[in-house]
This record gives sequence, structure tokens and C-alpha cells, in this order.
Amino acid sequence: GAGVSQSPRYKVAKRGQDVALRCDPISGHVSLFWYQQALGQGPEFLTYFQNEAQLDKSGLPSDRFFAERPEGSVSTLKIQRTQQEDSAVYLCASSLEVAGYEQYFGPGTRLTVT
Amino acid sequence: ELKVEQNPLFLSMQEGKNYTIYCNYSTTSDRLYWYRQDPGKSLESLFVLLSNGAVKQEGRLMASLDTKARLSTLHITAAVHDLSATYFCAVDINLSNYQLIWGAGTKLIIKP
Repeated sequence: GAGVSQSPRYKVAKRGQDVALRCDPISGHVSLFWYQQALGQGPEFLTYFQNEAQLDKSGLPSDRFFAERPEGSVSTLKIQRTQQEDSAVYLCASSLEVAGYEQYFGPGTRLTVT
Repeated sequence: ELKVEQNPLFLSMQEGKNYTIYCNYSTTSDRLYWYRQDPGKSLESLFVLLSNGAVKQEGRLMASLDTKARLSTLHITAAVHDLSATYFCAVDINLSNYQLIWGAGTKLIIKP
């Protein structure tokens, strides 16, 4: 069966550009999570959706970051006016249950801001 | 400040040897997760530990949780090259069931 997919896998953006990162969760998974992973570090929580509702966005580092999941399946993480410090791997994960125990991760999108 | 600390952060070992990775955390929690990450790949769930004293084993890996000591261990028995990867532990804060605090990861290299 298909796992969590993310696109693009790699993105190079010039500072100041807007980017949009896509996540396709496992079909039927209620919960969806976005994480940011810097090189050599563990993931850091960004935001959480339960179906289409964004229940927690406390980890978003600034108001340049915006996430949506309008139909409760595919999610998009948008970063406006990218800065060099935004360079990282952005991971998406989904979970079957409401705030379920096991999160299944996608391969990530590596964003490099030049 | 909530912290999850892993040690060692880097480990190089010979095949056939045993070793333990430690995960200490600074807040009350009874849910702890171990994940594996290969270079350029997804995070793969290894173990979910849900209560004090929980012990789970899969192949050459065994994980345990001591919530009173705020400590989890991942023990590797008779290591093989295929276990080379980065291992992360993550703690569920406030029993929220979703917001995980992650360790920095332990990069494990197993030499033939």
C-alpha cells in the first residue's frame, strides 16, 4: 500500500521567494503533522491537523509559515518570503487515529534557500 | 525547558557486539517512541512504549521505558551491518498524543 508521499523531494528557492510543499497522507488517516528537521537534529513539531481542522500551530516559527488541509486529506505547507534559516528538511507524518500513537512519515522535502 | 537527550550521539561498533543507546527526558511522560532513519529516507517507527516498565523486542533490538527515572534504553544485541542508521527517541509531552519532543538522534555505524 502507498505510504505518505511528499513533493517536491528537493526545492531550491532564492531568498524572498514563496514556496509550497505538498503532503499526501496515507488514505483514511485522520491526523496529519508537519515537522522541520535541521541537519543533524531531531524533528521539531510545526503543526497538527485533525481532518481539516488545524488544532495546533504553535510550532510554526513565524507568520511566514502557513499550513492547510482543506478537505482533510492532502496538506500544503507554505512559506512566504523564504529566508536562509528556513533551509531544512520538512517532514510530513500521518496517523490513523485521532492523535494516534504511531506516526507514519513521508520522505521529506529538502528546502535550500540561497 | 523540555529536553530529550540521547547519548551517545555517535557510535561506531563492530558487528557481533552489544551496545545500549540512552534517552533521558526532563518532563513527566509515559509515552515514548523510537524511530530509525536511514540517510535520505523516511523515519521508520520501531517501538511505541506506553507505560512504566514496558519492554519491547524486535529482532536484535530491545527497548525499555522507566518513567520514574525518565529514561528509555535501546539495546542492540549482536549488531549487524544492516542496523547502521540514525536512531531517534521522542517523548509525548502532556499526554497530548501528538506533540512529540525529539532527541537529536544517535548515529550508529556498524563495521563488518
